[in-house]
Amino acid sequence: AQTVTQSQPEMSVQEAETVTLSCTYDTSESDYYLFWYKQPPSRQMILVIRQEAYKQQNATENRFSVNFQKAAKSFSLKISDSQLGDAAMYFCAYRLYNNNDMRFGAGTRLTVKP
Amino acid sequence: GAGVSQSPRYKVAKRGQDVALRCDPISGHVSLFWYQQALGQGPEFLTYFQNEAQLDKSGLPSDRFFAERPEGSVSTLKIQRTQQEDSAVYLCASSLGGWLGRNTGELFFGEGSRLTVL
Repeated sequence: AQTVTQSQPEMSVQEAETVTLSCTYDTSESDYYLFWYKQPPSRQMILVIRQEAYKQQNATENRFSVNFQKAAKSFSLKISDSQLGDAAMYFCAYRLYNNNDMRFGAGTRLTVKP
Repeated sequence: GAGVSQSPRYKVAKRGQDVALRCDPISGHVSLFWYQQALGQGPEFLTYFQNEAQLDKSGLPSDRFFAERPEGSVSTLKIQRTQQEDSAVYLCASSLGGWLGRNTGELFFGEGSRLTVL
């Protein structure tokens, strides 16, 4: 079974600073996708960033970037120049290429201090 | 519509009552998913539709849970004889593609329906 672990239930960052959210996953497969989703208090999940396991280059989306370590099964999210609007729950998710079952971690609540 | 719409946003049910939760996906989206999100947890997969066909219902926790999408657009998740452990937020998501393979688009989520069973 594939599991996703987020070991940081809560994180806090000062506005304009950088924060890294951790995620590890367990799988014996080699072809899969990894995602970070953001869930603001309104509860609508929004995709932040996506990484294909077969790509060695780490994905980046503006202030968001990942550190994908396939051998270590680690997929951390770095948020640079944190903004108040970044405050939310962040979920790491995993999905096999040929499976619709997307597995989510328990989430990390990010607080941004002004 | 512009996004995935779910109703009701909040539902309080007495134990033993039946409830129905509606999801209106983005127009033209082939795939539709239901997830259950308990308090403080990540979403858990319940079921998946491709158009009107329910291709995967392996995540439904019991036979009290039933989902349908008869015309390949709007979907309803029905929970019969609700129990307290059914209390959760039920999230619906849709995706343009018919199969989440290498050509996948992202999942678009609704705001969820919060069910509280007393």
